[in-house]
Amino acid sequence: GQSLEQPSEVTAVEGAIVQINCTYQTSGFYGLSWYQQHDGGAPTFLSYNGLDGLEETGRFSSFLSRSDSYGYLLLQELQMKDSASYFCAVPLSGSARQLTFGSGTQLTVLP
Amino acid sequence: IAGITQAPTSQILAAGRRMTLRCTQDMRHNAMYWYRQDLGLGLRLIHYSNTAGTTGKGEVPDGYSVSRANTDDFPLTLASAVPSQTSVYFCASSPKQGTEGLEQFFGPGTRLTVL
Repeated sequence: GQSLEQPSEVTAVEGAIVQINCTYQTSGFYGLSWYQQHDGGAPTFLSYNGLDGLEETGRFSSFLSRSDSYGYLLLQELQMKDSASYFCAVPLSGSARQLTFGSGTQLTVLP
Repeated sequence: IAGITQAPTSQILAAGRRMTLRCTQDMRHNAMYWYRQDLGLGLRLIHYSNTAGTTGKGEVPDGYSVSRANTDDFPLTLASAVPSQTSVYFCASSPKQGTEGLEQFFGPGTRLTVL
């Protein structure tokens, strides 16, 4: 089966950089995704890494190391609006599209 | 409409009652999914459909059923609700085949309370 581990909470101040780690165990691997969810809202897609290395999208970057079964989401120049839950996700065994999600990391950005 | 809509927004239901949560998308996505989200447990996949006419079981399918009669609609039915099904339910869809279909688009959710 699949399992993912990520920290439950992270706190940082505005303007800082924060890294949210995710380690996973899968029987097959098609990539690591990240989703953001604000309180009471729907999850929204942030990034996908299918290959090792860093993917950058504006202030957000995501990294993957398949040999270490590890990835992270890097948020730079933190803003108050970045306060949200962040979930890593990998495909369920035997399928590339059905996802299993980590329990989420609650990021709190302080002024 | 644009994107995914879910109905109702919230519902309080007596245990033992039957309930159907509705989900409609207008993006012509092939694949659709139902998740439940409980505090501290993240999102868990209940059922999915890769294309109209097909469905599959996810991580927590017991007590739920789905159908996919057409591309746009993917209703989730609780045949006889129990309190442990109290949760927030999200419907999602994804546009592509194979490994490219990992970007999922989520609806606003239905908050269900079973008493």
